[in-house]
Amino acid sequence: DAGVTQSPTHLIKTRGQQVTLRCSPKSGHDTVSWYQQALGQGPQFIFQYYEEEERQRGNFPDRFSGHQFPNYSSELNVNALLLGDSALYLCASSRTGYEQYFGPGTRLTVT
Amino acid sequence: AQSVTQLGSHVSVSEGALVLLRCNYSSSVPPYLFWYVQYPNQGLQLLLKYTTGATLVKGINGFEAEFKKSETSFHLTKPSAHMSDAAEYFCAVSDIGSSNTGKLIFGQGTTLQVKP
Repeated sequence: DAGVTQSPTHLIKTRGQQVTLRCSPKSGHDTVSWYQQALGQGPQFIFQYYEEEERQRGNFPDRFSGHQFPNYSSELNVNALLLGDSALYLCASSRTGYEQYFGPGTRLTVT
Repeated sequence: AQSVTQLGSHVSVSEGALVLLRCNYSSSVPPYLFWYVQYPNQGLQLLLKYTTGATLVKGINGFEAEFKKSETSFHLTKPSAHMSDAAEYFCAVSDIGSSNTGKLIFGQGTTLQVKP
């Protein structure tokens, strides 16, 4: 049984560009959450998707947007990248009422 | 609002010694609490969780944690450290009213070093 997968593993972008990160949840999971982990920090909640809708959102600007597809996979989009967006982006999936399982993350570097 | 404080950003122990990682939380409602471990260049792996019921929770790899409501603490322990335990450890609390699929609020993390 494959766990949570994320792509790409690493990404380098320039300030002002846009980026899309992808996540495939664990089999049987219907909820996907995204977190940003800056170097030396704990993960910060960005948003959560369930039934293709954003169910919860953290304190992140509108430059951060997402989507969930009918197969429960999800995308995180970040527009107008800033140097401060450099971080490890973690996707977590879960079944309703159960704990979250995390993927390996996508390391985004903005130059 | 809920919050988590991990006391000590860096803990160093000798192999075979007791591991104690401290976590205090703030919550206005009964919390759901979690400990995750992160190895270098990897995602987070769930060690254990507390939702309701027994306050002493056992997890994987010999770790356990005790929920103490009076002290608002959820400290992580392991009787005997192993070299493979060296990693970053995060304590987290689940958002109010969202059970354990709600947003997780993490502490800053504690780096555990195990010396031979």
